[in-house]
Amino acid sequence: DAKTTQPPSMDCAEGRAANLPCNHSTISGNEYVYWYRQIHSQGPQYIIHGLKNNETNEMASLIITEDRKSSTLILPHATLRDTAVYYCIVRVRSTDKLIFGTGTRLQVFP
Amino acid sequence: EAGVTQFPSHSVIEKGQTVTLRCDPISGHDNLYWYRRVMGKEIKFLLHFVKESKQDESGMPNNRFLAERTGGTYSTLKVQPAELEDSGVYFCASSQDPHAVAGPYNEQFFGPGTRLTVL
Repeated sequence: DAKTTQPPSMDCAEGRAANLPCNHSTISGNEYVYWYRQIHSQGPQYIIHGLKNNETNEMASLIITEDRKSSTLILPHATLRDTAVYYCIVRVRSTDKLIFGTGTRLQVFP
Repeated sequence: EAGVTQFPSHSVIEKGQTVTLRCDPISGHDNLYWYRRVMGKEIKFLLHFVKESKQDESGMPNNRFLAERTGGTYSTLKVQPAELEDSGVYFCASSQDPHAVAGPYNEQFFGPGTRLTVL
């Protein structure tokens, strides 16, 4: 699986958009980009995934660059409950194991 | 619909003792995964069941760890004998049969984890 690089931490004001970047320059054509998050003391939670097109669901938007070497997870209106560690993961098949990196610790402040 | 459940939520044992962790996946999910996070480290994959068969056990650290999924429903992870470095949080996740859903999307749903402390 391709490796990902994320900033270790970010801050965001409540109500503002949180934009979390991820680099995956070695991604292969058949690898998907997945985002999970882990809120303190809970198990990881799926957020969104994509292959090459931008995706949006009720939780977030995923913007993937045209060359697919990087992506951005967007939480449009961050709340205090969005404070968590966010993981960007690339994988080939949906049943593949998830390889977690260190992720980005997002702190949403009032 | 009930999510993935894990038991116990916490376990404190002494080095050399045996502990068995249990995971109940979401009903109907063929895929079951075990992960763990040891202190200060990243979440690491341990193994993957498809129904009762081990699909991938490349992440199992050593032969002190034994995972089973008899009948393809719940799973147990036994650590015998436990060592200090086994302390951490053990997560279980489950997902559907990918052929049962359209496309490659097959989200893994995680349980809350079992916090294991070995003294």
